[in-house]
Amino acid sequence: NAGVMQNPRHLVRRRGQEARLRCSPMKGHSHVYWYRQLPEEGLKFMVYLQKENIIDESGMPKERFSAEFPKEGPSILRIQQVVRGDSAAYFCASRSGTVNNEQFFGPGTRLTVL
Amino acid sequence: AQSVTQLGSHVSVSEGALVLLRCNYSSSVPPYLFWYVQYPNQGLQLLLKYTSAATLVKGINGFEAEFKKSETSFHLTKPSAHMSDAAEYFCAVSDQNRRNEKLTFGTGTRLTIIP
Repeated sequence: NAGVMQNPRHLVRRRGQEARLRCSPMKGHSHVYWYRQLPEEGLKFMVYLQKENIIDESGMPKERFSAEFPKEGPSILRIQQVVRGDSAAYFCASRSGTVNNEQFFGPGTRLTVL
Repeated sequence: AQSVTQLGSHVSVSEGALVLLRCNYSSSVPPYLFWYVQYPNQGLQLLLKYTSAATLVKGINGFEAEFKKSETSFHLTKPSAHMSDAAEYFCAVSDQNRRNEKLTFGTGTRLTIIP
């Protein structure tokens, strides 16, 4: 059973470009979380999605950031018009629908904005 | 709102010595508590979790943690450190009364093992 997959693992963008980060949850998992880890800091919650629904986006910046989890395919975290402050590691986690079940983390996407 | 404080951003112990990583939490409702380990350039791996059952929780790789409500603590211990334990460790809390179960993390403790 493959774990949580994220791609790309490393992404370099210039200021003003768009970044698209993909997350494929573990098989059978319908709940996806995105977290951001800034250098020398812990992970910060961004958004929680279930298939075709955003459940909690209280950690998402109000502008330029969006997320989706379509019925088919991976979850996408999209950052428009990236700035240097967006440079960070972005982690996706998934879990099954069972209450209080463990979140399994992917290896992360390290975004560098030049 | 929930929060987690990890005392000591860097901890060094000798190989074979006791490992103690500190975590204190703040929560207005009964919490679920977690310890995760992160190796360089990798994702997080769950070491152990407390979900209101036994207060002493045993995890993988010989680690354990004890939930102490009176001290609002959930410190991580291992009797004898191994070189392979060198990593970053994160304590996290989630609200068991909320359906979204999002995690709030501490800022992490980097553990170094001295040969």
